[in-house]
Formats: sequence, structure tokens, C-alpha cells
Amino acid sequence: DIQMTQSPSSLSASVGDRVTITCRASQSISSYLNWYQQKPGKAPKLLIYAASSLQSGVPSRFSGSGSGTDFTLTISSLQPEDFATYYCQQSYSTSMYTFGQGTKLEIK
Amino acid sequence: EVQLVESGGGLVQPGGSLRLSCAASGFTFSSYEMNWVRQAPGKGLEWVSYISSSGSTIYYADSVKGRFTISRDNAKNSLYLQMNSLRAEDTAVYYCARDFRLEREFHYYYYMDVWGKGTTVTVSS
Repeated sequence: DIQMTQSPSSLSASVGDRVTITCRASQSISSYLNWYQQKPGKAPKLLIYAASSLQSGVPSRFSGSGSGTDFTLTISSLQPEDFATYYCQQSYSTSMYTFGQGTKLEIK
Repeated sequence: EVQLVESGGGLVQPGGSLRLSCAASGFTFSSYEMNWVRQAPGKGLEWVSYISSSGSTIYYADSVKGRFTISRDNAKNSLYLQMNSLRAEDTAVYYCARDFRLEREFHYYYYMDVWGKGTTVTVSS
């Protein structure tokens, strides 16, 4: 099974900050990496697919990069509505998708 | 509007059974693969099961293999999850999610682009 590890597990930041979340795969997954945002009590929302493609309707302050085993999600200038938990997910192994453990982004 | 609506959750005793449903609307359900994803209280997301558009290919997480059965009825635009031999650790919010396949430069990329609001399953005596 492909394991996905996110860092940090939690992060405190202020409005306007630039924030980076990292996701590492236990083996190479090329660019088969997606990012989701989840707010309390809500379903996850797709932000980034194929490592770096922005889902329609998602603000351009969100960006993704990486390939192989190391990936990043960057928020260029945090907005109040961005405080949430973020998950990476690999789709390289289509018979068993796996998510990272999540990164909780909190207001400083 | 593209929409997924789960139902069927509830309180069940350990060892019991429950059947979840997911009603799809606003898109051609029969053209899409589908997933179930769950989230235990205070925990992260866990993929549970996948079914191809025709229902011919099915995958399960090891944690539910042999106990859960995914199925679909394309005529009814519905996805199902039959859950048997339920355990306390199956307590979670269960989401259905559409699996989108993007072809790009001879590669297929998959991602879950539409999610339902979830249905809560509680396994407790």
C-alpha cells in the first residue's frame, strides 16, 4: 500500500501569510496527487488535481507542485475562509486510494 | 445542479448490518466511477470502496474487505454500500464521491470532484 504523510499536522498562521503544506508518498506516484479542503461539519472539497491543476472555481491563491514522492500545497495569501483541514490523496494506485492524515490550519 | 445525497445511516449494534444509499442527480451517473469515503469522529479521511461505471470492477479497503459490499443501479442513479458485521471502529460519517477521470498526454488522472454531505453511522451497544 502507498502511504501518504503530510507535514505539519497542524499549523498556525495569520491572514495574509504565505503557507506551504507538504505531502510525501512512500513510493513514486508521478503526478497522481490531489488536494482537498475540509471545513468542520462539511464534506471535503477538491482544490488541486494531478498535482498542480487548479479545480474550476478555486481561487488562484491556491497552487500545487511536485512529482514523484514530494508534493506541496501553497496558499499565497491566507484569507479568513482558508482556515480548514487539508488532505492530500494519491490516485496512482487506483485499486486503493489513500489520503494523508491531514493538516489543520488554524488562525494565529 | 450536480448533486449526491447519502441516506441510510443510523445507530446499529456491533455485529449488525446497515445499507447506505447515495442518490445522484445533475449528471450522467452511468458514465462515472464512484467511491465511498468515511471519516471517524475527529479523524481523517479513509477511502472505503470504489466501483466502476458499469459495476464490473470493484475495490475495497482492507479494513472492510469481506464485510462491506458496494453496488450501483444505473437505472435508478443510485450507489449503495451494504455493511455487515459492523464494528465500533466503523463508526463514521460516510460520504459518496464521484470519481472523475481526466485524460492528459496519454495518462489518466483520477480525482473525487463531487461529494455528498455524508450520512452518519454509529456502531454501539
